[in-house]
Amino acid sequence: DAGVTQSPTHLIKTRGQHVTLRCSPISGHKSVSWYQQVLGQGPQFIFQYYEKEERGRGNFPDRFSARQFPNYSSELNVNALLLGDSALYLCASSFRDEGSGYTFGSGTRLTVV
Amino acid sequence: GESVGLHLPTLSVQEGDNSIINCAYSNSASDYFIWYKQESGKGPQFIIDIRSNMDKRQGQRVTVLLNKTVKHLSLQIAATQPGDSAVYFCAENMSAGGFKTIFGAGTRLFVKA
Repeated sequence: DAGVTQSPTHLIKTRGQHVTLRCSPISGHKSVSWYQQVLGQGPQFIFQYYEKEERGRGNFPDRFSARQFPNYSSELNVNALLLGDSALYLCASSFRDEGSGYTFGSGTRLTVV
Repeated sequence: GESVGLHLPTLSVQEGDNSIINCAYSNSASDYFIWYKQESGKGPQFIIDIRSNMDKRQGQRVTVLLNKTVKHLSLQIAATQPGDSAVYFCAENMSAGGFKTIFGAGTRLFVKA
């Protein structure tokens, strides 16, 4: 079975641009979470979706948005990119919307120049 | 791949010894506590979790201890192997008031052969 897949794996954007990152959860998983991991730090929670509804939001500005599609895949959108948005963006999926048991993808490395 | 945890606390152990990695968490309302292992270039990998109503849980070669009085979590790895070398993160999940996951800062484990 395929794990959590994220695309693209690497991306370079210019300040002020917007970016869309994509995540396909493990088959049968209905919950998707997004995290930002800056080099040298732990992942920071951005969003959690379950059955296409937002169930949780971290302390990120409104430039960050996400959605979950009927097939449970998800997109993370970031507008008006800043240099500080450069990070590894991780997606994780789970069958449930609570507890643990999340499986992470390998992430998308975003560099803003 | 990118390097995770360049400036993290480091624990160095001899192969075959036991390792203990500690973590202080922040929210007494957290429902679940999870330990993740992250190798360079990869997303975090689930190791073991524990519910907030438990104080100990054992897995294969790993044990997690939870002390809610002092908000402390530890991961014990028995007979540490070179393949255990990685960055280890504790995380707490809370669902009250909206789902949120908070990761700790991480600890880098070096296993000397």
